[in-house]
Amino acid sequence: GAVVSQHPSWVICKSGTSVKIECRSLDFQATTMFWYRQFPKQSLMLMATSNEGSKATYEQGVEKDKFLINHASLTLSTLTVTSAHPEDSSFYICSVPGQSSYNEQFFGPGTRLTVL
Amino acid sequence: GESVGLHLPTLSVQEGDNSIINCAYSNSASDYFIWYKQESGKGPQFIIDIRSNMDKRQGQRVTVLLNKTVKHLSLQIAATQPGDSAVYFCAVNTGGFKTIFGAGTRLFVKA
Repeated sequence: GAVVSQHPSWVICKSGTSVKIECRSLDFQATTMFWYRQFPKQSLMLMATSNEGSKATYEQGVEKDKFLINHASLTLSTLTVTSAHPEDSSFYICSVPGQSSYNEQFFGPGTRLTVL
Repeated sequence: GESVGLHLPTLSVQEGDNSIINCAYSNSASDYFIWYKQESGKGPQFIIDIRSNMDKRQGQRVTVLLNKTVKHLSLQIAATQPGDSAVYFCAVNTGGFKTIFGAGTRLFVKA
C-alpha cells in the first residue's frame, strides 16, 4: 500500500492565525488526495477532494475560503486553515487512493490542530 | 445518500476471546465495504475489505461478513489480543473513492 506522511503531526496556534498542513504520498504519485476532519470521539468526515492541477472539490458545509487546498504536485497536497478559531481544533487526516480497482485509501498519521 | 452506523459504541472482551463488531448501512447500491482500525492519535489503518459480490472474506485473525439482505456487515477478530484495542470503523464506498465512515466502536481488551 501507499505510504502517506503528514506534517506537522501536531500544531498549536492562536486564534486568528493561519495554519498549513502538508500531506505527502511518499512512494507513488497521486492525482487525487482526500482531506478528512475528525473531532474527539467522532468519526472521520470528508472535507474535500484535492485534485492535482485543478481546484479542490469541497463537501457540503465546508467553507472553501476557510480551508484552502493546494495540490501543487503529484506527491503533495496542502490544507491551510485560515483565520483559525477554537472550533477548528480537530484531527485532520489526509488519504491517498490506491491503484487497484478496489477504491481503497491509505491514510496519513493525522495532524492534531489546537487553536487557543 | 448513504449513512453508516455501528451497533455499539464500546465493546469489552477478555484477551483470547473472539470479538464481533457490527455495522449497518443504508444504501443497497453500495458495493465496497472496508474495516479500519484507528489507534489513539493515529490515522486509520486498513484491516480488511469486501465487495458486494461476496458474503465472507477472511484475513489473518479477522473475518468480514456481509449480509446484503439486511444491509449489515460485521468484523470478527479471533483470539483478541491487547494490541487489538482501538476504535474500529466500518466504511462504505459509494462510488469512485468517496467513502462514508461509521461512528466507530471502541474495543477494550481485558488482560
